[in-house]
Amino acid sequence: DQQVKQNSPSLSVQEGRISILNCDYTNSMFDYFLWYKKYPAEGPTFLISISSIKDKNEDGRFTVFLNKSAKHLSLHIVPSQPGDSAVYFCAAGAGTASKLTFGTGTRLQVTL
Amino acid sequence: GAGVSQSPRYKVAKRGQDVALRCDPISGHVSLFWYQQALGQGPEFLTYFQNEAQLDKSGLPSDRFFAERPEGSVSTLKIQRTQQEDSAVYLCASELGTANSPLHFGNGTRLTVT
Repeated sequence: DQQVKQNSPSLSVQEGRISILNCDYTNSMFDYFLWYKKYPAEGPTFLISISSIKDKNEDGRFTVFLNKSAKHLSLHIVPSQPGDSAVYFCAAGAGTASKLTFGTGTRLQVTL
Repeated sequence: GAGVSQSPRYKVAKRGQDVALRCDPISGHVSLFWYQQALGQGPEFLTYFQNEAQLDKSGLPSDRFFAERPEGSVSTLKIQRTQQEDSAVYLCASELGTANSPLHFGNGTRLTVT
């Protein structure tokens, strides 16, 4: 039973355009959501997070949107750059210092 | 370095051998997590320490898996009598332990059991 789902295994976007990565969750106890970026042979790197009391958080080119009623979050990257090409993982947690539950990842390729 | 350090980066073990994987967390980080990542999957939780106390080991797949953090800093994940299904990348992560602080991951140890 996957509690965090990323239904798109891959996404290709042209440089300069917007990349939108989606994530759905089923556990209502989740109150904290994160996006991680992973390059080959490296560990995941934290990108951006959002608490369940918010519906949007922005950090430079990265914005995360949370729709609690739909149990859906998305990561927007604008403008997309070739260096953004990586696998993106959505993760969710419940409570302080809790274990995170990860999705299966979406591979983003930003083309020239 | 300031990041989470894991060793070895790669480990090949014959089925039945015991292995030990090491994690050096970021200095001052209270919480330490171990995750297992199979090919094409996201990381899956194995176990969690707060300082030297192992507070959650619900993700350990069998009693062949054992983790310790005796002095509240360096941690070791031990796998006894390795099986082929243990082949995966083992990721260690640490965090400050405050509310909603993100996990910082190491580069992982890729274990291949032949």
